[in-house]
Amino acid sequence: DAKTTQPNSMESNEEEPVHLPCNHSTISGTDYIHWYRQLPSQGPEYVIHGLTSNVNNRMASLAIAEDRKSSTLILHRATLRDAAVYYCILSGETSGSRLTFGEGTQLTVNP
Amino acid sequence: KAGVTQTPRYLIKTRGQQVTLSCSPISGHRSVSWYQQTPGQGLQFLFEYFSETQRNKGNFPGRFSGRQFSNSRSEMNVSTLELGDSALYLCASSPRTGLYEQYFGPGTRLTVT
Repeated sequence: DAKTTQPNSMESNEEEPVHLPCNHSTISGTDYIHWYRQLPSQGPEYVIHGLTSNVNNRMASLAIAEDRKSSTLILHRATLRDAAVYYCILSGETSGSRLTFGEGTQLTVNP
Repeated sequence: KAGVTQTPRYLIKTRGQQVTLSCSPISGHRSVSWYQQTPGQGLQFLFEYFSETQRNKGNFPGRFSGRQFSNSRSEMNVSTLELGDSALYLCASSPRTGLYEQYFGPGTRLTVT
């Protein structure tokens, strides 16, 4: 599986936008970019995924670089509930349903 | 729609024993995957079942096994427990196998003494 690189931690203030970066320079043409997050004492939660175009849903936006070697998860207005570990994961045809989690980014949201 | 449920939520076992964990996927979901989460190794994929067949397997010893029933419910079994098997075991369900979003349960916290 192609590897992703994320900062260990990031901090944000409540009600401000948050941009969580992910580098994946070895991504293949058929790899999807997935984002999951894990709140304390809970299982991971699906956030968003995309292939080439930017994607939006009710939780977040995913901005994918034109060369697909990096992507950014955007939380438009951070809330205290968004404090979690965010995982950027690549998944392709050979990995199927298998998700390979890295260490993720610990997001702290300050009131 | 009810989410993924896992039972039991907490379990304490002694080294050498075996344990069975259960997972009920979201209604209509036919793919169930299992993950192990520890502080040292993070989240690691164990295996995936779809239509009662194992479709994918992670790098775990044969002591870890699973199965899926016709109603898509799944069980995983760990035999001859070791102290290092202490972990949070998470189950995730998906409508089909492949590149689909997965929905995780709350996990079963297993402690081996």
